[in-house]
Amino acid sequence: DAGVIQSPRHEVTEMGQEVTLRCKPISGHDYLFWYRQTMMRGLELLIYFNNNVPIDDSGMPEDRFSAKMPNASFSTLKIQPSEPRDSAVYFCASSNFGSSTGAYEQYFGPGTRLTVT
Amino acid sequence: DQQVKQNSPSLSVQEGRISILNCDYTNSMFDYFLWYKKYPAEGPTFLISISSIKDKNEDGRFTVFLNKSAKHLSLHIVPSQPGDSAVYFCAASSLNTGNQFYFGTGTSLTVIP
Repeated sequence: DAGVIQSPRHEVTEMGQEVTLRCKPISGHDYLFWYRQTMMRGLELLIYFNNNVPIDDSGMPEDRFSAKMPNASFSTLKIQPSEPRDSAVYFCASSNFGSSTGAYEQYFGPGTRLTVT
Repeated sequence: DQQVKQNSPSLSVQEGRISILNCDYTNSMFDYFLWYKKYPAEGPTFLISISSIKDKNEDGRFTVFLNKSAKHLSLHIVPSQPGDSAVYFCAASSLNTGNQFYFGTGTSLTVIP
């Protein structure tokens, strides 16, 4: 398996623009997570899905952030409008927690480095 | 509020010596703990985990110790190698409530050749 795939790897945009980050989880995984990495808070969970359904979005900082998972192989995180304080590295992760394997770890993608000027 | 804390932002160790990375948590409901390793420009990768029914788990050069009464866990790397230089994240979870992880802020380990 290719692992978790994220695109783009780097995104530079101007304040006020819409930004869409994309994620393809590992096939067969039933959980998908969006994280943001900052120096102050480390890896901060934004939202996670189970079987394509959003379970907890309490980490989403503002209404400017939204996430969707239209099917088991694709998810998006959208920021509209973007602000300079949104600049960070955004990670997507997936896991097969719901399976009977007893494996609980999450597998991370390479991240998207977002810069908002 | 941070439920998982890594109070040392950085650590430098000589090659061949032991590296000890520490992590504290506040939620007594946590029952599963993990360490992740992160190289620059890459996503975190799973390193080792421990369930709350154990107090030690070993995998090669890596050992995780759990002290439930102190709500403290540590990662020992022996012997340390230059390739171990990375950021290490501690994570905690309550498996009864799902697969949500709470991560610390990370410790940057530098192993000096």
